[in-house]
Amino acid sequence: EPEVTQTPSHQVTQMGQEVILRCVPISNHLYFYWYRQILGQKVEFLVSFYNNEISEKSEIFDDQFSVERPDGSNFTLKIRSTKLEDSAMYFCASSPDTQIGGYTFGSGTRLTVV
Amino acid sequence: ELKVEQNPLFLSMQEGKNYTIYCNYSTTSDRLYWYRQDPGKSLESLFVLLSNGAVKQEGRLMASLDTKARLSTLHITAAVHDLSATYFCAVDSNSGYALNFGKGTSLLVTP
Repeated sequence: EPEVTQTPSHQVTQMGQEVILRCVPISNHLYFYWYRQILGQKVEFLVSFYNNEISEKSEIFDDQFSVERPDGSNFTLKIRSTKLEDSAMYFCASSPDTQIGGYTFGSGTRLTVV
Repeated sequence: ELKVEQNPLFLSMQEGKNYTIYCNYSTTSDRLYWYRQDPGKSLESLFVLLSNGAVKQEGRLMASLDTKARLSTLHITAAVHDLSATYFCAVDSNSGYALNFGKGTSLLVTP
């Protein structure tokens, strides 16, 4: 069964450093997403991406965040200057079409900011 | 602001018992999703409910959707320990480009 692959599985970074979280969506999917989950809390939407541009973003997705699809397979989330409160599990997801749903989530990257 | 409310948030139940988790939402969305999450793991899709009156069953879990009441239920029949996990419901945003999740129901099934 096709999977969404995320790397690394765990990243520890110092406050103020830049991090890049990587994702390989399912190959024939068209829509890509990032969500985050602070420990013990609900899953929160960050951003959706379609046709090489952001289609929607939440209030959480401020100027310190950016997304990119640098090639035909990878989808990245960059946090420019990490804060302690950015510590969370970050999930990448992809879907073939927003009209039929069918989101597939990756296994997540646990980001710890120290 | 779109709201998705689940209850209960915590549920401890004995093996063999039945119970229902409720998910209320505030949009006019006619699509609702249920996910399971084990500790430290990703989100596993359980059900995608696409229209009013939709009912889906998989093993001991059955999900239903009433779009008029803006309510979905996840019914657990004869619970077993393996069902212990956190269950999230989610609905599409108005734009359709995002999922809005409830806070999750943490289920513990005990012998």
